[in-house]
Formats: sequence, structure tokens, C-alpha cells
Amino acid sequence: GQNIDQPTEMTATEGAIVQINCTYQTSGFNGLFWYQQHAGEAPTFLSYNVLDGLEEKGRFSSFLSRSKGYSYLLLKELQMKDSASYLCAVRSYTDKLIFGTGTRLQVFP
Amino acid sequence: GAGVSQSPSNKVTEKGKDVELRCDPISGHTALYWYRQSLGQGLEFLIYFQGNSAPDKSGLPSDRFSAERTGGSVSTLTIQRTQQEDSAVYLCASSSRRGGDTDTQYFGPGTRLTVL
Repeated sequence: GQNIDQPTEMTATEGAIVQINCTYQTSGFNGLFWYQQHAGEAPTFLSYNVLDGLEEKGRFSSFLSRSKGYSYLLLKELQMKDSASYLCAVRSYTDKLIFGTGTRLQVFP
Repeated sequence: GAGVSQSPSNKVTEKGKDVELRCDPISGHTALYWYRQSLGQGLEFLIYFQGNSAPDKSGLPSDRFSAERTGGSVSTLTIQRTQQEDSAVYLCASSSRRGGDTDTQYFGPGTRLTVL
């Protein structure tokens, strides 16, 4: 079966660091994506991991451990505009994305 | 255009009517995907087109749903005899599928479908 788990909601303070975890159990694995989705808008691409380790991109980093079926998205120096849903998605061998339900992050001043 | 476009942005219809949703992918992208996002739910895969290959229809929830991709570009998702549970945001994405590291899927703004 296909299962991707993320926390439903998280809160954090402006300027802080937050880590959003994602665990997955899928029948195939061909990469893991993180997307950001503001309310009422389309998901936008944040990061991609296919090998184990950390990928850093500015204030955002993403980590993958394939043996543990685990990824996290790390957001540093949080800004109010980072309030959004963060979607973890696993790409199958047939290229379709399997999404978790998303983590809604609220950043407070 | 610069990104994936979809039309209409909003569609309100009555139960039992047919609807057509349109997607224009990024120019040159050979792969096109349809997803559905219901309120409070994750994105649900519906169908995938890649070049001239037969589409992957494994995510279509019922035979009321169908999709076409004409000329390898524009795609239309058709829902026949709509039901209230079809109410959702329908998102289209495209990717280049040129190989390489990511083949990232880029999403359109979606069509919000409301079935009364």
C-alpha cells in the first residue's frame, strides 16, 4: 500500500527554526519532493531528494533517509510569509506523485 | 506561456450535469498530470499522460471521469453526471521528462469545482 504521514498542523514564531517530518511507506520510490502551498494557490516546488542526505537551498533544507522511509523539511529564520501548507510527496516508478495530507504551518510574530 | 494555465478558475454546476476542465501545460513539457484536492485532503492522483504512450488512468475514481490530451499539449478532464462528492480543486501539472535530477512537476492554479 501507499502511506505518507505528516503532522497536520504546526506553529512557530517568526525568526525561529521549524522541522516538518514526513514518513512514507510506498511500493516504489523514485524521489521525494516538498511543495509549499499557500491557501487558495497552487503547490510550488521547494526541494527534491533522491539520495540520502541533506539538500540545502537558502533558508530551506530537506533531508532524506531511504532506509528509514523518512524525510524532513527544515525552515530557518521563519518569516510570516512562510505560513502555508507543506506537502511531502513520493514519486513512484511510474512518475506519479503520491502526496501526504500536508502540514499546515502557522508563523506568529 | 510561462506556466501551467487552467480554465475555468471556478466552476459551479448542478448535480447530474457534465463539466469539462482545461489544462495548458508549460510549452515543451511532454508529461501532464491531473490531481484532485478535496477540502482538508491531500492531493489525489487522477491520470498521467506521457508523450504518445497510453495514459496511466489508475487514479480515476469512476468511469464518469475521463481525460484527453490533444496534439501532445492541451488536456481536457471531463466529469459526466457530476455528483456532490466531485466538488474539489482539480489541479494540473506538467514536467519536462528530459531525464536529469528532478523532472519536477509544476502545477497550475487549479479549477475549483462546486457541485450543488
